[in-house]
Amino acid sequence: RKEVEQDPGPFNVPEGATVAFNCTYSNSASQSFFWYRQDCRKEPKLLMSVYSSGNEDGRFTAQLNRASQYISLLIRDSKLSDSATYLCVMDSSYKLIFGSGTRLLVRP
Amino acid sequence: EAQVTQNPRYLITVTGKKLTVTCSQNMNHEYMSWYRQDPGLGLRQIYYSMNVEVTDKGDVPEGYKVSRKEKRNFPLILESPSPNQTSLYFCATFSASYEQYFGPGTRLTVT
Repeated sequence: RKEVEQDPGPFNVPEGATVAFNCTYSNSASQSFFWYRQDCRKEPKLLMSVYSSGNEDGRFTAQLNRASQYISLLIRDSKLSDSATYLCVMDSSYKLIFGSGTRLLVRP
Repeated sequence: EAQVTQNPRYLITVTGKKLTVTCSQNMNHEYMSWYRQDPGLGLRQIYYSMNVEVTDKGDVPEGYKVSRKEKRNFPLILESPSPNQTSLYFCATFSASYEQYFGPGTRLTVT
């Protein structure tokens, strides 16, 4: 079983839609979680950190559920520019473990 | 401007011909890491370095070497490349606030 698992998608949504991704992890000792965004053939870039209390950055909301060992990313009012692959990332003592990513396509 | 640079960005080579991919950072970060990314497998760590002269294996170190003689540079060496090392490679550093900065990537094809 992979340490971090994501639905590969693609999620195909119209502009303005709300879309949510989940990611499950197997190491209950992990302390830190992140969402990264990766555009085609480019380097991953940190989108946001994920905290137990949840955190919000504009249209993006991230949540961590330790009891069920999953994290989520909610994107409201999707824009065409949100089309990318979203990587769920778990930290394990300075070692980042990446999910294989969920692809999002936002259509006009 | 904070930067991680990699060279070359694209490389096509033949089996067995030694190559080096350079990685350099200007942020004075102690921690540096190499990843490879393959379709359906996500990013997998090859090697990492916690400081100068301190390196350790990641999840997929076979066929690779690294060195860390100075803080800013962390080259990835393929002594005898094979076709299964065809991949997209990323170098990355860790900031004090726990954020990773990635280089632009090196697309390697081994024929």
